[in-house]
Amino acid sequence: SQQGEEDPQALSIQEGENATMNCSYKTSINNLQWYRQNSGRGLVHLILIRSNEREKHSGRLRVTLDTSKKSSSLLITASRAADTASYFCATDAYFGNEKLTFGTGTRLTIIP
Amino acid sequence: GAGVSQSPSNKVTEKGKDVELRCDPISGHTALYWYRQSLGQGLEFLIYFQGNSAPDKSGLPSDRFSAERTGGSVSTLTIQRTQQEDSAVYLCASRAGPNTGELFFGEGSRLTVL
Repeated sequence: SQQGEEDPQALSIQEGENATMNCSYKTSINNLQWYRQNSGRGLVHLILIRSNEREKHSGRLRVTLDTSKKSSSLLITASRAADTASYFCATDAYFGNEKLTFGTGTRLTIIP
Repeated sequence: GAGVSQSPSNKVTEKGKDVELRCDPISGHTALYWYRQSLGQGLEFLIYFQGNSAPDKSGLPSDRFSAERTGGSVSTLTIQRTQQEDSAVYLCASRAGPNTGELFFGEGSRLTVL
């Protein structure tokens, strides 16, 4: 079963707008990561947020983490056509369970 | 090597045949993962290797699936008596160690079982 569940499953926005994707998970975590996957390719790491952090920024990416609600969000600001991809969250449990578990993904389409 | 390398990139086989998929992780990475991704779906965990520890095989879907990692480096995922439902992209990833954060993925091996 999936640890993480992203929503929405699919999102289409105009270029320049902001895109927000959400991830919910079920068990306690050590950290949460976001990955991007272009069609037919492997996944690429975007950002990692630790369980004791609430917000993190990297370029046009902003990630928040609410451990009380077991949820995270990924915000991409000023979207570009090249941001079109699938985005996955992944959770790393505490030591003793390094089975990094991925969510179902959000398919983001940026309309030029 | 510079990145995670997987081979073959594409494999078409007939139902009932055995297949082997290879993963060459980043040099020095002790953690290696195999995932399966069906068309348009998320990643399904298959197996995890960490150093010389016994692998976590909890995600292998049946006893037709097995994997080994020789010398703590290259890994081979073997699927025996392939079925059509085994058709998917098999992704390999490695990272420096347990709970060290970022996974580095290969480009995957696309398996099609006719």
